[in-house]
Formats: sequence, structure tokens, C-alpha cells
Amino acid sequence: DQQVKQNSPSLSVQEGRISILNCDYTNSMFDYFLWYKKYPAEGPTFLISISSIKDKNEDGRFTVFLNKSAKHLSLHIVPSQPGDSAVYFCAPGPQGGSEKLVFGKGMKLTVNP
Amino acid sequence: DSGVTQTPKHLITATGQRVTLRCSPRSGDLSVYWYQQSLDQGLQFLIQYYNGEERAKGNILERFSAQQFPDLHSELNLSSLELGDSALYFCASSPGQGIVGELFFGEGSRLTVL
Repeated sequence: DQQVKQNSPSLSVQEGRISILNCDYTNSMFDYFLWYKKYPAEGPTFLISISSIKDKNEDGRFTVFLNKSAKHLSLHIVPSQPGDSAVYFCAPGPQGGSEKLVFGKGMKLTVNP
Repeated sequence: DSGVTQTPKHLITATGQRVTLRCSPRSGDLSVYWYQQSLDQGLQFLIQYYNGEERAKGNILERFSAQQFPDLHSELNLSSLELGDSALYFCASSPGQGIVGELFFGEGSRLTVL
């Protein structure tokens, strides 16, 4: 049961350009979202989050936008760097008394030098 | 280094066998989570323990079981292994405070079932 959907499995961009990773959800009760990044042979690491009281959260080159009416969030990376090449997962915040996260299937970003 | 330690890093075994994966959470973290990552399924939540008690259950097969010990380390037991159980198994821990939803993942245990 995918609580969020990352419909594009991969994205390739040139170094210095913008990367936009998308994530859709259906449950309008979700009020908090997280993005994780995963390099090969490593575990996922927390990247950035957004609360529904905001429509944007920025951390350096990473910005997450939340469109509640469209039930859509996106992660923008500007400028993209080769070191950003990884798999990115989105997830709604913890629900129902457990801190577990239910991740989307992920999107593989490749940033070409 | 997330502070979460998983052993073994790699494991190759045969169908029908049983294996145990071990996880040591970050110091002070009471919650431990197990996730499975196979090629086309992304990161699947299996089970969560909090201070020794099962807190949440996900898509964990009946052939799989887990526990968390008094010293807070956790073990995931996989039995009657099938080819389809080949995957990366991640353990994560969380402090229960700080950034909501921030889990700290280990580097994973890669299981290959032949």
C-alpha cells in the first residue's frame, strides 16, 4: 500500500542545472513529509522535511515545495552536482502512534558532469 | 556514520535455510525498525520495536520474525528462505525526539538466497 507515489523511476540532469523530483499522495490528512537520500551501499539518510503549515522549505541547494490542493510535493536541487546522484525517497510523516515511515518507491537521480 | 551497526554486511545462503540479521541501534535510541529493499519494491517497512515491545508491523512475512533485547539490540530472523527473499535488509533507529520522522539507518545486510 503506497501512501506516496513517485511515478518516475529515474531522472538524468546535467551538472549545474535544476533537478526536480516529484511525489504525489492521496491522503489529505497527511500534514508532514520527508525526503531521504540513499547512495549505493549505504543506508538512507534524512534530507529535508516540510510541514503542511508551509508551502516551501529550503535548506541550501535543496528546496521542497508542497501543493496541498494538488496533493503533490516536489524536491528541487539547484544547482545539481554529481554528488547528488542517488536514489531519493519521499515519505509522509509518522502516523498512528508509530514513528515508522512508509516510503515511496524512490527515484534515481543521475547528475552528469 | 549513522551510529547504527548491522551485521553481517553480506550473507549468501541456500533456499530453505534460516538466517539471523543483527542490529545495534544508536546509543540511547529506543526504537528499532526493519526495512527490506528489493529491486522493484523500494523500501518496505517490516516491523518496529520500541524498548523491547513490538510497536508497529508492516509487510512482514510469517516466515520472518524479530525481537528487541533488553540491551536494545535487535535481530531479524528469516526462515524457510526463498529466492525472492534476496534483498537488502536495513535496520534504523530513532531517538523519539528531535526531527519528527528522522530515522538513522545502518548500512544494511545484503542477503542472497541461491
